[in-house]
Amino acid sequence: AQTVTQSQPEMSVQEAETVTLSCTYDTSESDYYLFWYKQPPSRQMILVIRQEAYKQQNATENRFSVNFQKAAKSFSLKISDSQLGDAAMYFCAYYTGNQFYFGTGTSLTVIP
Amino acid sequence: SQTIHQWPATLVQPVGSPLSLECTVEGTSNPNLYWYRQAAGRGLQLLFYSVGIGQISSEVPQNLSASRPQDRQFILSSKKLLLSDSGFYLCAWSVSIGGAEAFFGQGTRLTVV
Repeated sequence: AQTVTQSQPEMSVQEAETVTLSCTYDTSESDYYLFWYKQPPSRQMILVIRQEAYKQQNATENRFSVNFQKAAKSFSLKISDSQLGDAAMYFCAYYTGNQFYFGTGTSLTVIP
Repeated sequence: SQTIHQWPATLVQPVGSPLSLECTVEGTSNPNLYWYRQAAGRGLQLLFYSVGIGQISSEVPQNLSASRPQDRQFILSSKKLLLSDSGFYLCAWSVSIGGAEAFFGQGTRLTVV
């Protein structure tokens, strides 16, 4: 079975600082994709960043970047220059075989 | 552009009553479709997914069923709701080519009383 683990139920960061959210996954597949989604209080799921497992280069989207360690099955999200609008629940997700599997989420608080 | 519609946004139903949640996608053909349930502290649990009309795969045994009567329509149903069916239900779609992101509907807050 595919599992995604987010070991930090809650995190906080000072505005303008950097925070890293952790994610590990368990798989025997070689071809898969990884995602980070953001769920603000509106509960609308928004894609933050996407990583193909066959790519060694870490994905980056503006202030958001990932540290993808394939051998360790680790996929952490770094948010730089945190803003108040970054406050949300963040979900790590794994995709293979037409299915998306999600972790339990990390609630991020941004302190002004 | 593609859009996904999910309704209703909120629903309060008595135990033992039936359920029908509907999800439709516009602007794309032959999407993969998904139903998730989100419970507090448990993330998103995949309930059903579909890669085509009439093709439904279930991830977990439960009191719910899903159907895909048309290419871009996905319905989540129950004949008799249980208290444990309460939760936040999300419909999502993705293109059938692997690795594309999932796009989510606004969700349905279901409360079974």
